[in-house]
Amino acid sequence: EAGVAQSPRYKIIEKRQSVAFWCNPISGHATLYWYQQILGQGPKLLIQFQNNGVVDDSQLPKDRFSAERLKGVDSTLKIQPAKLEDSAVYLCASSSNPGQGVERTYGYTFGSGTRLTVV
Amino acid sequence: GENVEQHPSTLSVQEGDSAVIKCTYSDSASNYFPWYKQELGKRPQLIIDIRSNVGEKKDQRIAVTLNKTAKHFSLHITETQPEDSAVYFCAASPPGSYIPTFGRGTSLIVHP
Repeated sequence: EAGVAQSPRYKIIEKRQSVAFWCNPISGHATLYWYQQILGQGPKLLIQFQNNGVVDDSQLPKDRFSAERLKGVDSTLKIQPAKLEDSAVYLCASSSNPGQGVERTYGYTFGSGTRLTVV
Repeated sequence: GENVEQHPSTLSVQEGDSAVIKCTYSDSASNYFPWYKQELGKRPQLIIDIRSNVGEKKDQRIAVTLNKTAKHFSLHITETQPEDSAVYFCAASPPGSYIPTFGRGTSLIVHP
C-alpha cells in the first residue's frame, strides 16, 4: 500500500512570500489532517477534513493559512504571507475512519512532511 | 483543551540500559494514549498505544504504563540499542475523536 505523499520535501522562502504544500492521502482514506511541527515540539493539529468538508480548523491561523480538499482526495495547505515563526515541518496524515484518527487498526499514517524555512 | 507534558526532553543511555519517558495529561476524559517514534528527518510512527481501561501493555522491549488517577503514563524501553535513538512523542486523545495532543518530545540517544 502506498503511503501518504507530500511535496515538496523542502522549501525556503522569504517572509511575506506565499507558499503551498500538497498532500495525497492513502487511497480510500476519508479523513485527512494537516499538522505543524515546530523544531523541538510535538506536532500540532491545524485542520482536519472528512472527505471535502472541514471538521476542525480551530487551530488554523486563518488570517494567513488556508487549506482545501476540493475533491475529497488530495489537499493543499497555503500560507500567505509567511512569517518567520511559520518555519516548521508541515505533516499530513490520513485515516480511513473519521474520528478514529490514531487507531492503529484504522491506519492513521503520517506523510514525510514538508520542511519550511522562512528567512 | 488537553495539555500533555513530557519529560525528560533529552535522555542519554548506554546500550543495554533501560530508558523511561514520562508524560502527564490534564484532561481526565482522555482515554487513548499513543506513543510515536520519529527518527531524524522521518515521519512519526506509532510504536505502541494504550487505552484507559488497561494499566499496562507490553510489546517485546517496549512497554507503556498508565495511572489514570494521577493522570500520567510512561514508556519503558529495555535493553536499548543504538537504533532506538530517535525522538519519542507521547500523546493523549479524548473519547470519540482519537485525535492526539502531543507532548514536546524526548530525544533518546543510545550510546554503543
